[in-house]
Amino acid sequence: SQTIHQWPATLVQPVGSPLSLECTVEGTSNPNLYWYRQAAGRGLQLLFYSVGIGQISSEVPQNLSASRPQDRQFILSSKKLLLSDSGFYLCACTGGNQPQHFGDGTRLSIL
Amino acid sequence: SQQGEEDPQALSIQEGENATMNCSYKTSINNLQWYRQNSGRGLVHLILIRSNEREKHSGRLRVTLDTSKKSSSLLITASRAADTASYFCATDGPGGGADGLTFGKGTHLIIQP
Repeated sequence: SQTIHQWPATLVQPVGSPLSLECTVEGTSNPNLYWYRQAAGRGLQLLFYSVGIGQISSEVPQNLSASRPQDRQFILSSKKLLLSDSGFYLCACTGGNQPQHFGDGTRLSIL
Repeated sequence: SQQGEEDPQALSIQEGENATMNCSYKTSINNLQWYRQNSGRGLVHLILIRSNEREKHSGRLRVTLDTSKKSSSLLITASRAADTASYFCATDGPGGGADGLTFGKGTHLIIQP
């Protein structure tokens, strides 16, 4: 079965600092990978998805970027964080005709 | 914008009672899924129902889908304290979800012991 690793679990960053969140997947190959953001008390908003190495699709204009340097690695980045980037970031994957499975998320607080 | 809208936004019931949550969506779907989220954690997949299915069961969970009304319901029978969580419906499009899911805002369920 698929296992998704996200780290760190929590992160506190100052405004204007860079960001790198990593997600790795085990138990599947050629997965579709996703980054979602969840604001407090809200549902999830899709930020990026990737169907293969180096292939990134963005759903909303934003201050963030994503990269997929390896088949089972998905990275969320920012050069300069904004206060509005605070939230709960979740990585998800699908593979082999399975429902999306989620990691445990990273809670990002911007000060 | 979010496609799904769950109601109620919050629900508090006594342990042992049944809990019903509803979800409405706006566009055509391929599948509809329900997820559970414990506080501060990731989402756990509960059940998937396809657009050509009307009802599906999994343990104490029962999901219905009415594509003519663009709505779904999740019933949890004989609720337990451990069922306390937020529940989200999620829909995909004709592409089957390869380009991601659209989530509702969720129902926060509290089971009183």
